[in-house]
Amino acid sequence: DVKVTQSSRYLVKRTGEKVFLECVQDMDHENMFWYRQDPGLGLRLIYFSYDVKMKEKGDIPEGYSVSREKKERFSLILESASTNQTSMYLCASSTSGTGDYGYTFGSGTRLTVV
Amino acid sequence: AQSVTQLGSHVSVSEGALVLLRCNYSSSVPPYLFWYVQYPNQGLQLLLKYTSAATLVKGINGFEAEFKKSETSFHLTKPSAHMSDAAEYFCAVTHTGGFKTIFGAGTRLFVKA
Repeated sequence: DVKVTQSSRYLVKRTGEKVFLECVQDMDHENMFWYRQDPGLGLRLIYFSYDVKMKEKGDIPEGYSVSREKKERFSLILESASTNQTSMYLCASSTSGTGDYGYTFGSGTRLTVV
Repeated sequence: AQSVTQLGSHVSVSEGALVLLRCNYSSSVPPYLFWYVQYPNQGLQLLLKYTSAATLVKGINGFEAEFKKSETSFHLTKPSAHMSDAAEYFCAVTHTGGFKTIFGAGTRLFVKA
């Protein structure tokens, strides 16, 4: 079964800490995405990548960075965690092409910053 | 620019009743349309998709959706709700040739016994 795996289901971090969220996919997908999900706001795109070492800002990139050194792995980095970054973080991947395949999502990481 | 509007952040139905979740989109080019389902504390799972073949699309768990270009709608239906259908549902649009998907705000479905 194809999978997108997020390394942690739950994380609690302190304000000011540097936080790494890891995502690995085993489908050889070119595209990978990081979203955050908050009640009433739906999914908001933070960053995406369409190739190794390539990255593009999404709608809310402030306070975040990403790394994609290998095709299967896409990391989200919170440079200095703040309480307003408490959220559910979802990683997704998709194949390149005409856009009709849809996304495969990981199970999410619920991050709490205290 | 693309956008997706889901009418109703919460929908409540009785077990056995019809489920109707509404989605309207805007897109300047022919779209691909998707419905995803999210169960508590899980990621999103693809329920069904419209990719310009048949306008009535059948998905998993008895759900289906109809693409109506004249109404720019892609409503999700299920004839008879089951308790296990309680979840949050997201409508999404991608334009042909693209890979970025725009998601609606989601509709939480409650099923009463």
